[in-house]
Amino acid sequence: NAGVTQTPKFRVLKTGQSMTLLCAQDMNHEYMYWYRQDPGMGLRLIHYSVGEGTTAKGEVPDGYNVSRLKKQNFLLGLESAAPSQTSVYFCASSQTGRNYGYTFGSGTRLTVV
Amino acid sequence: QQPVQSPQAVILREGEDAVINCSSSKALYSVHWYRQKHGEAPVFLMILLKGGEQKGHEKISASFNEKKQQSSLYLTASQLSYSGTYFCGTEEGDSSNTGKLIFGQGTTLQVKP
Repeated sequence: NAGVTQTPKFRVLKTGQSMTLLCAQDMNHEYMYWYRQDPGMGLRLIHYSVGEGTTAKGEVPDGYNVSRLKKQNFLLGLESAAPSQTSVYFCASSQTGRNYGYTFGSGTRLTVV
Repeated sequence: QQPVQSPQAVILREGEDAVINCSSSKALYSVHWYRQKHGEAPVFLMILLKGGEQKGHEKISASFNEKKQQSSLYLTASQLSYSGTYFCGTEEGDSSNTGKLIFGQGTTLQVKP
């Protein structure tokens, strides 16, 4: 009964490097979301997906790309990491979007130096 | 637009009550409440849908005033386990069933023995 699994849990990148964060859910949820959490700013939506093969921009999409090739996986990519992308990244999934709460993954702590 | 939570922080003794408020400038479809303990993922508490309903979850309940775009979370007879940061997440009325939430900045609750 894993729920939402994020990998890796921690990562340190140098400025300009690229990486992909993986989010996997085993609850057959349609909707998936990527948020970043910074001190005092709550959670801000980066990108989201309302189903396999679909993605859309959230509040803070610049510098990130996403893909949802399989229903259970939602990938977040950083093409050229910047120090401003130092943050804790949370993935969440929801059964059908409206009327259901989110299940969050345990987060990825990313530091860009 | 990010909803505003108040207060930013509150310290209680065990057994005391607390109210956390969430206010939005947008017409809302729903309000979610989550609790996050330090270093962990946010955990879903409850959802309130348009219609002004009030919901309860053990000693934690919430209300939603659709006309004022406000929600309040009520914690009664607080326990040590209630400590954490509480976030409201709002879904705007025109979100087109994306389920995307805009989160407030959080309210830190500390319950002391």
